[in-house]
Amino acid sequence: EDKVVQSPLSLVVHEGDTVTLNCSYEVTNFRSLLWYKQEKKAPTFLFMLTSSGIEKKSGRLSSILDKKELFSILNITATQTGDSAVYLCAAPSGSARQLTFGSGTQLTVLP
Amino acid sequence: SAVISQKPSRDICQRGTSLTIQCQVDSQVTMMFWYRQQPGQSLTLIATANQGSEATYESGFVIDKFPISRPNLTFSTLTVSNMSPEDSSIYLCSVLHRGNYEQYFGPGTRLTVT
Repeated sequence: EDKVVQSPLSLVVHEGDTVTLNCSYEVTNFRSLLWYKQEKKAPTFLFMLTSSGIEKKSGRLSSILDKKELFSILNITATQTGDSAVYLCAAPSGSARQLTFGSGTQLTVLP
Repeated sequence: SAVISQKPSRDICQRGTSLTIQCQVDSQVTMMFWYRQQPGQSLTLIATANQGSEATYESGFVIDKFPISRPNLTFSTLTVSNMSPEDSSIYLCSVLHRGNYEQYFGPGTRLTVT
């Protein structure tokens, strides 16, 4: 059975801190790993990673994939209170590419 | 990316009734999915909505409880039937972008069953 595990489950930091969120996976026929930010209801797409060692960057967020060690990290630098959210990682599995999700990391950024 | 809308955005329903959630996409997509997120939990796939044929359900989900329609490549519905308080969740549809396989989510439907 495909599995995605995230750590830590929750994290509390102060504005300006840098955080690293972890995601490990065991997926048959691995194709890609996706990161989402969930603030209220809908997860918002952040990154899709397919290749090892190539960093994807968007503003203060960046992410990288290690296909040998089967994990990915999401970095957020100079955190702001608006970064407070649940961050989800997921991997497509099955022929239809339906997503298997990790449990999420609840990030709280204090002013 | 795709623009996805869902209706209703939230509802409060009585036990034993049914609710149909609609998902509309602004472009034709090959794959559409329905997920459920129970309070404090991560997302769990209910089923893959197949155009022109019966949906493919995940273990633990059955067609009688969660009938799904997908009449064309831009629209799908999920019905939550004979509801109980345990069905209180956020229900989300998602689509697979044909070109790059990124997946995007609709705004979600927050269902409360009393």
